[in-house]
Amino acid sequence: AQSVTQPDIHITVSEGASLELRCNYSYGATPYLFWYVQSPGQGLQLLLKYFSGDTLVQGIKGFEAEFKRSQSSFNLRKPSVHWSDAAEYFCAVVRADKLIFGTGTRLQVFP
Amino acid sequence: NAGVTQTPKFQVLKTGQSMTLQCAQDMNHEYMSWYRQDPGMGLRLIHYSVGAGITDQGEVPNGYNVSRSTTEDFPLRLLSAAPSQTSVYFCASRRDRAHHEAFFGQGTRLTVV
Repeated sequence: AQSVTQPDIHITVSEGASLELRCNYSYGATPYLFWYVQSPGQGLQLLLKYFSGDTLVQGIKGFEAEFKRSQSSFNLRKPSVHWSDAAEYFCAVVRADKLIFGTGTRLQVFP
Repeated sequence: NAGVTQTPKFQVLKTGQSMTLQCAQDMNHEYMSWYRQDPGMGLRLIHYSVGAGITDQGEVPNGYNVSRSTTEDFPLRLLSAAPSQTSVYFCASRRDRAHHEAFFGQGTRLTVV
């Protein structure tokens, strides 16, 4: 069963615009949630994580994400996108002690 | 501080050949995993290990073999390569059961012709 869904395969934004990448999870207990970023030809870098507590978490590079239990969502946001943010973004959840990834969202940034 | 190191970075194999993808970590992490990344499918778990001598299957284990004789190393073996195994392979490590943040290697791009 799919644990993590990223409904947007590809998103294009203009530099300076705001960004929201969607992530929905299916898991009964309080999940451990992550956002990773992958620049072209690179490995994955952790942007931020949620385990418990404050539902709004801050990450690196100006990103933040909000955990909403009622919507089973963990959307990633950034108020002003930079050209260097162009990359692929993956949402992930820990299920049965294993890290399970969504299918990813590719972000394209226009100048 | 090397972190997770994968070798080789690129590899081309002929169908039916065997090879081993190497993964080493220098962080004394208990958990190690292998993923494959394919367009539109995200990262899928192949095999994982929770400690030396312990391995288990992930979502897509067929055609791959692993062993964990030391804490540091977690090689992935392709027994008889097939074109369907053309992919980018990532190794990841995690400190232990209580720490869920995974650290990734730079990946190995494998092409099977």
